[in-house]
Amino acid sequence: DAGVIQSPRHEVTEMGQEVTLRCKPISGHDYLFWYRQTMMRGLELLIYFNNNVPIDDSGMPEDRFSAKMPNASFSTLKIQPSEPRDSAVYFCASSRAHPLAGGQHTQYFGPGTRLTVL
Amino acid sequence: TQLLEQSPQFLSIQEGENLTVYCNSSSVFSSLQWYRQEPGEGPVLLVTVVTGGEVKKLKRLTFQFGDARKDSSLHITAAQPGDTGLYLCAALAYSGAGSYQLTFGKGTKLSVIP
Repeated sequence: DAGVIQSPRHEVTEMGQEVTLRCKPISGHDYLFWYRQTMMRGLELLIYFNNNVPIDDSGMPEDRFSAKMPNASFSTLKIQPSEPRDSAVYFCASSRAHPLAGGQHTQYFGPGTRLTVL
Repeated sequence: TQLLEQSPQFLSIQEGENLTVYCNSSSVFSSLQWYRQEPGEGPVLLVTVVTGGEVKKLKRLTFQFGDARKDSSLHITAAQPGDTGLYLCAALAYSGAGSYQLTFGKGTKLSVIP
């Protein structure tokens, strides 16, 4: 089975530009998560979806960040305008069960997109 | 947001040595997970512990959940270069408005030298 697919794997852009990151979750998974990882802050949840509906976006840093999930097999994370402090590795993950499922809850992570904003 | 403290932050050891890394919090968790992340890849789940005092073994890796369900440890016996990576612990935390999310520690970066 294909795992979580993310594109692009690397993105270098200049400050002020729009950046769009893409994710295809594992087929049949109802939950999709977007994370950001930096050395300083570690892995942080930005937003998650259940059945294409955003459930918790409290981790989204500010209005420059937006995420959509138009269908069960595709999600985007957009940053507009981008800033140097947005440089990080962005991960998408998917799972079959709700996090409250506890022991049965397994998140599968994609390989990440390394974003560099100059 | 619940805080998970992992220690040590960095660990470099020789092949064949044993090691233990820790994940601590002042909060009680219903369950705790350990992930390993290799360079250029996403984290991969190793184990989930649910019951206080629970011990799980995965080959040379032994995971323990504290009796009070506030802390956990990961012990590796006879470390090998293939064990090199970032070890992350994660726990469910209530983020408000009926929503739960997985909160991660910052990780222990392990290097096993051949």
